[in-house]
Amino acid sequence: QVQLVESGGGVVQPGRSLRVSCVTSGYTFSRYGMHWVRQAPGKGLEWVAVIWFDGSRKYYADSVKGRFIISRDDSKNTLYLQMSSLRVEDTGVYYCVRDRGVVSPEFDYWGQGTLVTVSS
Amino acid sequence: DVVMTQSPLSLPVTPGQPASISCRSSQSLVHSDGNIYLSWFQQRPGQSPRRLIYEVSKRDSGVPDRFSGSGSGTDFTLKISRVEAEDFGVYYCMEGTHWPPLTFGGGTKVEIK
Repeated sequence: QVQLVESGGGVVQPGRSLRVSCVTSGYTFSRYGMHWVRQAPGKGLEWVAVIWFDGSRKYYADSVKGRFIISRDDSKNTLYLQMSSLRVEDTGVYYCVRDRGVVSPEFDYWGQGTLVTVSS
Repeated sequence: DVVMTQSPLSLPVTPGQPASISCRSSQSLVHSDGNIYLSWFQQRPGQSPRRLIYEVSKRDSGVPDRFSGSGSGTDFTLKISRVEAEDFGVYYCMEGTHWPPLTFGGGTKVEIK
């Protein structure tokens, strides 16, 4: 069965960097686009970034553009989010999400999330 | 960017009674291909979100038929015909017509009355 397992979250000081990962299994990773969606404590969902199935395109929310980098390693069936210059407002649960859509994103599987806390 | 506005923020419901959630977009969600890419997600307490409805009114596999979606242009509605205990949680709409960026509504919390 399809599984997405995030890891790498933790407590980090403002201005520092952190990389979160999402290991996938149960399907052919290289055939699907992938997204990161985050949720601040007690708040709603915020889309963060997307990477095309072949890695050819990447898009980011304005709130993270220039600071976050999404990437993938198909040999490891793993999605990454490299976060730099972290801010307090980046605190939240980070979900990786599989996208089966063609024209528009279709979120069919979500991971359980990993908590990133930015605090001094 | 498209702004998605949900109402109400909170919806107290007695189990067995209907519930209705509104989602309005700041611009029409009709795509150039003629489709409307408006989805609804459910997030139960302590769980990851899951999609219930896509393209306004199509139910995902395994979603009970008490959930229905409707709407056009800029106004959309998620209805639960008879709320059951497992339906309590937060519901989000999301537009996928004018992406990137992808935009979610602020969420509606369906809670026990």
